[in-house]
Amino acid sequence: GDSVTQMEGPVTLSEEAFLTINCTYTATGYPSLFWYVQYPGEGLQLLLKATKADDKGSNKGFEATYRKETTSFHLEKGSVQVSDSAVYFCAPRDQTGANNLFFGTGTRLTVIP
Amino acid sequence: EAQVTQNPRYLITVTGKKLTVTCSQNMNHEYMSWYRQDPGLGLRQIYYSMNVEVTDKGDVPEGYKVSRKEKRNFPLILESPSPNQTSLYFCASSFGRNTEAFFGQGTRLTVV
Repeated sequence: GDSVTQMEGPVTLSEEAFLTINCTYTATGYPSLFWYVQYPGEGLQLLLKATKADDKGSNKGFEATYRKETTSFHLEKGSVQVSDSAVYFCAPRDQTGANNLFFGTGTRLTVIP
Repeated sequence: EAQVTQNPRYLITVTGKKLTVTCSQNMNHEYMSWYRQDPGLGLRQIYYSMNVEVTDKGDVPEGYKVSRKEKRNFPLILESPSPNQTSLYFCASSFGRNTEAFFGQGTRLTVV
């Protein structure tokens, strides 16, 4: 069945450090790919998305590229800020049947000044 | 403002006492779903609905019921809550394929 594997957390970085959170997935067909972010005490918000191979999603300095050959969608940011501290979820959306989103376990990021 | 509204935000209840968590969206979305979030397990889907009167089980449906009588509302019903249903619950809605899901603020449920 469909599944997603995310980098284990928690991740602690100093401000202005480079961030990578790995995400790989298995899915039937050709899913759309999303990254969601959950700030403390809040619901999930869309961070970025990509719907076809080689698409790059970007938002707020974060980027992720749809890599069909490696079934991956790694999240990157060149210079993190304290305000980026949150939990990040990789979420493919299958394109067959129920068209469900399925989530990884989430990666908690803490950025220290 | 486009939004998904859940109520209540916090709820403490006793084992066996029926409860309903409401979810409403104002975006005319066809697709709605319920998730529970538990430490170390991420979000797991409970039920989903692809349109009015069309619902189906997700990954962890045991102990839950849903209904979709109107497009905007998708309540989650716990007929006889148990302590293992203590969790953080999220409702989400979307138009469907390739589109983002919008999430509610969450309902933190404690069953004692």
